[in-house]
Parts: sequence; C-alpha cells; structure tokens
Amino acid sequence: DSGVTQTPKHLITATGQRVTLRCSPRSGDLSVYWYQQSLDQGLQFLIQYYNGEERAKGNILERFSAQQFPDLHSELNLSSLELGDSALYFCASSQPKERGRLNEQFFGPGTRLTVL
Amino acid sequence: GENVEQHPSTLSVQEGDSAVIKCTYSDSASNYFPWYKQELGKGPQLIIDIRSNVGEKKDQRIAVTLNKTAKHFSLHITETQPEDSAVYFCAASSGGYQKVTFGTGTKLQVIP
Repeated sequence: DSGVTQTPKHLITATGQRVTLRCSPRSGDLSVYWYQQSLDQGLQFLIQYYNGEERAKGNILERFSAQQFPDLHSELNLSSLELGDSALYFCASSQPKERGRLNEQFFGPGTRLTVL
Repeated sequence: GENVEQHPSTLSVQEGDSAVIKCTYSDSASNYFPWYKQELGKGPQLIIDIRSNVGEKKDQRIAVTLNKTAKHFSLHITETQPEDSAVYFCAASSGGYQKVTFGTGTKLQVIP
C-alpha cells in the first residue's frame, strides 16, 4: 500500500459525459501528479500540482482539468468524454521539501475509466 | 522535451536467468532515473533509482547502470524468479519539480 488513495476504482460512463476522479496523496506529500495509461501503453504525464499550485503540464487535453485543494487532495475532471479517453488514470504524490530535491513518486492504485 | 526510449517491449527468461532492460534519454539535463515495476491491476512501484552523479547502484538482485555520456541506463535483474514477472518502466527527470518522462515499458515474463 503506497498510502495514495484514488476513487473510484472503476468508472463506466458514456461519450459526451463528464467525470471527476479523486486522489488523496500520502500524508505530508505536497505534490500530486496525474498520469494516463492507455491499454498496453506507457504512462503519459498529464499535470502536476504542488501545494495547490499548478507546476507542470504534460499532454493534457483542453477537455481535461485538475485542481489541488487546501487539504492537498486533488481532482481530475474529464469532460466531453470520447471513446479514446478509456484508460487507467493514476495519481502519484511526492514530497519535495526544497526546490531541486528529487524524490520518489508514490503511485495510487488507479481509476479505470471506460467510456462506452 | 525529454524523450525516453525503452527496449525490449517484451522479454521472456527462464527462472534463474538474468534479465536486462535498456533505456535511452534525450535531455542532457536529466539527472534522476527511477525504475518502476507494475504488477497486474496495480500502480507502478519504485524498485530502484539512480542519480546522475553515480554510475551504478545495486540492491540485492537488482542493479542499475548509467552512462551519462551515451545517455543510456539499464536495469539488470539477476537470478530471476516468477514473482519478477511484471511490466517495468524506466523514467528520466530533471529539475526541482520532478516532471518525469516514462519509457513505454517492458513486459517481463519469467518462466518457471
């Protein structure tokens, strides 16, 4: 158990719909990262938040957005869903205590999104 | 941006043999290279990492080597066991905010 929790575990929805994925980082971790993993594909970095602020953006579609709340949990919002958005969505957290320090990312168990 | 290539995409070895997975990266500023293991139905888990000021690191049956000049790094698993079967990802990162670029993964199968 990494200490990172994600809900829901599974999500089935229809095209055009909007969903929200939730992530709670490890206690004390300030950074949250979102990744997308399509079937038989690697991990695509979507976005990173640090202590409530967006820090880095990857290949995140305009239909997707995220935020990190004061209690440090994060939500990934996916709208106007398409069939191709079906994937595993992982959240990871880490605790960079100071700029320039490189730390391990701890991954949650993922949310499997199926768009029908 | 950073580009990480990983080979092979699949690897089958007999139990007890060694397995080697190789990665190359493009950004010379990358200075942190973690390796993750992902078992079926689970999130990736860090198994070993290496920083740019070190050429080799070993942890029991797992070792990682880094060649900064050639921009490549490798994962070596010795005396493989069936429980080593999983997908392995290499990654490269630079900077304080740790944007990590992952390789495409290697599916390792250890045959008993």
